[in-house]
Amino acid sequence: DQQVKQNSPSLSVQEGRISILNCDYTNSMFDYFLWYKKYPAEGPTFLISISSIKDKNEDGRFTVFLNKSAKHLSLHIVPSQPGDSAVYFCAAREMNYGGSQGNLIFGKGTKLSVKP
Amino acid sequence: EAGVTQSPTHLIKTRGQQATLRCSPISGHTSVYWYQQALGLGLQFLLWYDEGEERNRGNFPPRFSGRQFPNYSSELNVNALELEDSALYLCASSLGQRIMTDTQYFGPGTRLTVL
Repeated sequence: DQQVKQNSPSLSVQEGRISILNCDYTNSMFDYFLWYKKYPAEGPTFLISISSIKDKNEDGRFTVFLNKSAKHLSLHIVPSQPGDSAVYFCAAREMNYGGSQGNLIFGKGTKLSVKP
Repeated sequence: EAGVTQSPTHLIKTRGQQATLRCSPISGHTSVYWYQQALGLGLQFLLWYDEGEERNRGNFPPRFSGRQFPNYSSELNVNALELEDSALYLCASSLGQRIMTDTQYFGPGTRLTVL
């Protein structure tokens, strides 16, 4: 039973355009959501996060939106660059220790290709 | 500032053997997490250590075990290796503070191949 789902295994976008990566979750007890970028044979690199008390967080070209009622989050990359080509993982944290810390539950990833 | 480091980079073992993987967290981080990424699967949570104690474990058999040392580095041991244990094993660390925004940072991983 997948608690975090990334339904698009791949996405292709033209350089300069917007990339939108989507993620759905089922567990209403998740309190913290993160996006990681991963290249083959490397560890995931943290990109951006959002806590359940917010609906938007922005960092440079990256913006994450959280819709708690729909149990949906999305990552927007504007403008997309060829160097953004990688696998993007959505992750959610189970609450522990009174609402903080804890292991992450990952989606299966979306492979983003940004074409020049 | 040095990131999370893992050793070895690659490890080749035969079925039935034991494997030991090591992880050094970012300086100042007290929590260490282990994840497995097998081919075709996402990252699966294995173990979480904080302040030397095992805090949680994922849905893996007991032959997956580990420990955290006083300097917060950690070791993952896999006993009685099976072919399906072949995977990329990732270690992550976090500040371990009881705050909502405690973020995990990952190392480069150890590629374990079981023949």
